[in-house]
Amino acid sequence: QVQLQESGPGLVKPSQTLSLTCSVSGGSISNGDYYWSWIRQPAGKGLEWIGRIHTSGGTAYNPSLKSRVTISVETSSNQFSLKLGSVTAADTAVYYCARERPNSVVIPPVIEVDYWGQGTLVTVSS
Amino acid sequence: DIVMTQSPLSLPVTPGEPASISCKSSQSLMYSNGYNYLEWYLQKPGQSPQLLIYLVSSRASGVPDRFSGSGSGTDFTLKISRVEAEDVGVYYCMQVLQIPYTFGQGTKLEIK
Repeated sequence: QVQLQESGPGLVKPSQTLSLTCSVSGGSISNGDYYWSWIRQPAGKGLEWIGRIHTSGGTAYNPSLKSRVTISVETSSNQFSLKLGSVTAADTAVYYCARERPNSVVIPPVIEVDYWGQGTLVTVSS
Repeated sequence: DIVMTQSPLSLPVTPGEPASISCKSSQSLMYSNGYNYLEWYLQKPGQSPQLLIYLVSSRASGVPDRFSGSGSGTDFTLKISRVEAEDVGVYYCMQVLQIPYTFGQGTKLEIK
């Protein structure tokens, strides 16, 4: 059973960089055809897809955040990370890490977000 | 970006009664293969979202058959044939046709 766990500071000052790590257990992050993603949820609001990194290292980001976001993977520690720069109060949210699984029942495969972390609240405030 | 719009945003339901949630997309979610890349997720209180349905109507593993999905193009519906207490939470539709993937605002289902 794959499990994901977010970790990182719960409080970040405006204009600084938000850094989170997702630890993956129950399987190797470098095995298989998966995408490792970050999704966030501001309090009382809906979900926003931030971006993802493939097992091969390829990345894709939400254009609305692209200039500020970097997602990277550390295969030796079975983790992947999110960095979001120049944060403001609008970046305050619960941040989830997740796994996207391409389901080849159709071509092109349909992406299923099949495992999620429990989420971690990050508040941007001075 | 594809905008996803759900209705209603709040849905009080009596146990045993049916429930229906609508999801509309700002552009067609049908790929050239004829499939619609539309999914439904349920976020139970205090939990992370979980996949219910993919490709409009295919239930994920372990999802009860009282959940069903339908629709095509830009109009989609999630139906629960007989609501149970464990179905409470916020339901989201999500398009996975193109990046960035986008979600509806969520529909909060509560028991009357």
